[in-house]
Amino acid sequence: DAKTTQPPSMDCAEGRAANLPCNHSTISGNEYVYWYRQIHSQGPQYIIHGLKNNETNEMASLIITEDRKSSTLILPHATLRDTAVYYCIVRAPLYQGGKLIFGQGTELSVKP
Amino acid sequence: DGGITQSPKYLFRKEGQNVTLSCEQNLNHDAMYWYRQDPGQGLRLIYYSQIVNDFQKGDIAEGYSVSREKKESFPLTVTSAQKNPTAFYLCASITTSGGANEQFFGPGTRLTVL
Repeated sequence: DAKTTQPPSMDCAEGRAANLPCNHSTISGNEYVYWYRQIHSQGPQYIIHGLKNNETNEMASLIITEDRKSSTLILPHATLRDTAVYYCIVRAPLYQGGKLIFGQGTELSVKP
Repeated sequence: DGGITQSPKYLFRKEGQNVTLSCEQNLNHDAMYWYRQDPGQGLRLIYYSQIVNDFQKGDIAEGYSVSREKKESFPLTVTSAQKNPTAFYLCASITTSGGANEQFFGPGTRLTVL
C-alpha cells in the first residue's frame, strides 16, 4: 500500500491561502489521492480527490504533479474554522477493498 | 437525511467485558469500514466489508469481531481479548459502483475502559 508523508504542522494567516503539501512517491497508477480533514473528536470530512488532473470544488483545489508523486491541497482563503488536522491519503482500488490508509496528517492552525 | 449513525457517542465498560458498537447507514452503500483512532494519531483500519455476509481483517483486527447480516448495518464488538480498547472508533461507508468515490464517516464512538 502506498504511504504518504506530510509536515506535522503548519500555520496560516486568516484570509490567506493555505498550501498543504503531500508526498506519495510509491503511488500506483490506479490509486487516487484523497484529502480529508478532521476537527477534534469528530469524524473526518471529505474535501477533494483526484487521479491525474488538478481538481477544484467549493472547498479547495488539488494540484497533482505530473509524475503523481506529490500533491498540494490549497484552501484559497483560510478561515478560523479551517483549523483542523488534514490527511492526505492514497486509496487502494475498490477491488482491493478501497480502504483508506491514514498517516499522521498536518495540523493546520489558522490564526487571526 | 442520508448518512451514517454511530451509537452511543460515549461508552464506558469495565475491563474484561465485551461491548458492541453500532454503525448504521441509509446511503445504500455497499462497503463499510471500522477504524480506530488513538490520541494524536491517524486512523487505523480494524475491519471492512464490501458485501453482505463477507468481511476482511484490516491492520489491527486482533481483539475485535464484526458481522454484516444487513447492508445497512456493520456492528463492531470489542472483546475482552483487546489489550488496549480505550480509543475513538469511527465507522465509514462507500459505494463500490462507479469510479472514485468519497468515503463517508460517522460521528464516532469514544470508548473508555475503566
